Amino acid sequence: DAKTTQPPSMDCAEGRAANLPCNHSTISGNEYVYWYRQIHSQGPQYIIHGLKNNETNEMASLIITEDRKSSTLILPHATLRDTAVYYCIVRALNYGGSQGNLIFGKGTKLSVKP
Amino acid sequence: KAGVTQTPRYLIKTRGQQVTLSCSPISGHRSVSWYQQTPGQGLQFLFEYFSETQRNKGNFPGRFSGRQFSNSRSEMNVSTLELGDSALYLCASSLGQLAGELFFGEGSRLTVL
Repeated sequence: DAKTTQPPSMDCAEGRAANLPCNHSTISGNEYVYWYRQIHSQGPQYIIHGLKNNETNEMASLIITEDRKSSTLILPHATLRDTAVYYCIVRALNYGGSQGNLIFGKGTKLSVKP
Repeated sequence: KAGVTQTPRYLIKTRGQQVTLSCSPISGHRSVSWYQQTPGQGLQFLFEYFSETQRNKGNFPGRFSGRQFSNSRSEMNVSTLELGDSALYLCASSLGQLAGELFFGEGSRLTVL
């Protein structure tokens, strides 16, 4: 089972920031938080990941609480193309190449509206 | 550089038949993972290959199998197809090191009649 809890759906106005929460209260010390998204009928797309520090890249920012029990993915200026299902996943990095088994939950369906 | 390529993109089979799906990872990527996506069960991990060896396997029956070739290309096979095998089958590749970032293909949509 997925170790994360996300709201099933959210709406966001175009141009505004989209803040997607994720609860992972049972996260272990060696587990990272990953975010992926899946636009309808496409393969999932990696967005960002982090361990305990906040992270930012060209797509989004990831804010992880100090106790690491929850995090928020921030899309600073949402566009219609950001409409997708967003998945929050926790997993440990495995040395030696075994890293492909992500456990996807149901995710949050983000609808960006004009 | 080219992304993950999956073939065929769409296919229709009948119950009892078998199917083989192909995945070409991003050049230089050594790890290939396969996922099944259905409306009811969502995205579920099938198996992962690294350097031609199966590293992990999900909770699927033995009818689902896979392999990886020396050039990192991978195939998965489903034998004795059932109606419930209708799904989007996704392949993902990664460097196979610490990155943790998977690159997914567009998937192969299988319909079993």
